[in-house]
Amino acid sequence: GAVVSQHPSRVICKSGTSVKIECRSLDFQATTMFWYRQFPKQSLMLMATSNEGSKATYEQGVEKDKFLINHASLTLSTLTVTSAHPEDSSFYICSASPGQIGNTIYFGEGSWLTVV
Amino acid sequence: ELKVEQNPLFLSMQEGKNYTIYCNYSTTSDRLYWYRQDPGKSLESLFVLLSNGAVKQEGRLMASLDTKARLSTLHITAAVHDLSATYFCAVGSSPNFGNEKLTFGTGTRLTIIP
Repeated sequence: GAVVSQHPSRVICKSGTSVKIECRSLDFQATTMFWYRQFPKQSLMLMATSNEGSKATYEQGVEKDKFLINHASLTLSTLTVTSAHPEDSSFYICSASPGQIGNTIYFGEGSWLTVV
Repeated sequence: ELKVEQNPLFLSMQEGKNYTIYCNYSTTSDRLYWYRQDPGKSLESLFVLLSNGAVKQEGRLMASLDTKARLSTLHITAAVHDLSATYFCAVGSSPNFGNEKLTFGTGTRLTIIP
């Protein structure tokens, strides 16, 4: 079964609205989680590092005010896409690991966002 | 800036044949991950390679890592249709830290033809 779970798996929203995506680690605690974005037929690009108890670290070119990340607990990180535009439509995936070197890094099931 | 390149980008091969996917990366790292992605799905972990010379095998797939050459390979033996998917390599870049961010390769879309 999944060890990292995302919700929702699919969401459609109207332009200008906000959408929240949750990422949970099910079997372990994760002080750090990562959010990636994948456009159709492309690779994954890291958006930000979510840190429990502190601010997220964003990759160059990612707008922190548009993609709000909150790491509320050791098992939950949320990504909120604010004032969504059609160009934000993408597959968003989170990852986490128990944290010991050599552990598999697990990915959530992913969330398809379509902005209309 | 770390860059990770895979080749080929597309691979169409017949069942029963062998082939290799190559993953080159631009900066020093000794942690290399391979993932499989089916259409519309997330990533499934295949291998974690953590040292120079590491070799791991699972079924018809075998992965290796040469950190000096900054090269990893994913070898497919006697391909079967079920292996059709997109394969990504990814390089870890957080020293001494197991839960790390990854830089992904471009992906190789593999199609196995009956």
